[in-house]
Amino acid sequence: GAGVSQSPRYKVAKRGQDVALRCDPISGHVSLFWYQQALGQGPEFLTYFQNEAQLDKSGLPSDRFFAERPEGSVSTLKIQRTQQEDSAVYLCASSLGGELFFGEGSRLTVL
Amino acid sequence: GENVEQHPSTLSVQEGDSAVIKCTYSDSASNYFPWYKQELGKRPQLIIDIRSNVGEKKDQRIAVTLNKTAKHFSLHITETQPEDSAVYFCAASWGSSASKIIFGSGTRLSIRP
Repeated sequence: GAGVSQSPRYKVAKRGQDVALRCDPISGHVSLFWYQQALGQGPEFLTYFQNEAQLDKSGLPSDRFFAERPEGSVSTLKIQRTQQEDSAVYLCASSLGGELFFGEGSRLTVL
Repeated sequence: GENVEQHPSTLSVQEGDSAVIKCTYSDSASNYFPWYKQELGKRPQLIIDIRSNVGEKKDQRIAVTLNKTAKHFSLHITETQPEDSAVYFCAASWGSSASKIIFGSGTRLSIRP
């Protein structure tokens, strides 16, 4: 497809489990961003990549969060030992510079 | 650190009236200010943006103004319609256009028939 694709759309995890969220950006988009959106809140910046380089990861809330984009295209956000406070929608966006094109998000629920 | 504040958090206006949402940013180096609209259960989508070398930009019923001195920017929607009901987010970007974009906390706009 032509848009940003994220999978899974919904994920339920037991506390302590590891999860991996995938993002397929728009082909050719250099920049890729991850945001966390809690219910009723704005997207909170987590990290962003330019090609395969992770230029800023200052928004990652703890060392349980890890993101990678090894070939400068698909990106994976990994959360280890999930906690209830990790429950949120995780939005991926890609850009050529300027407008962000968002995916539908991955809704994570930690029980 | 970088911060974007947005208000009001909720706004209800009569159909046909105007709506104004205001944001302030912390870093004077900010140079790109987009506005996104998010309908319930959907992804945020860009509706208008402005760069720091421009004071105002208009697109049909939507306009954005920027006051760099005061570090304020605002979204104006005129002749509101039911389909304008959504959550609106302002945002600001520091440095190059490929750098991170920080969002405000959102304004839930409701249009009363």
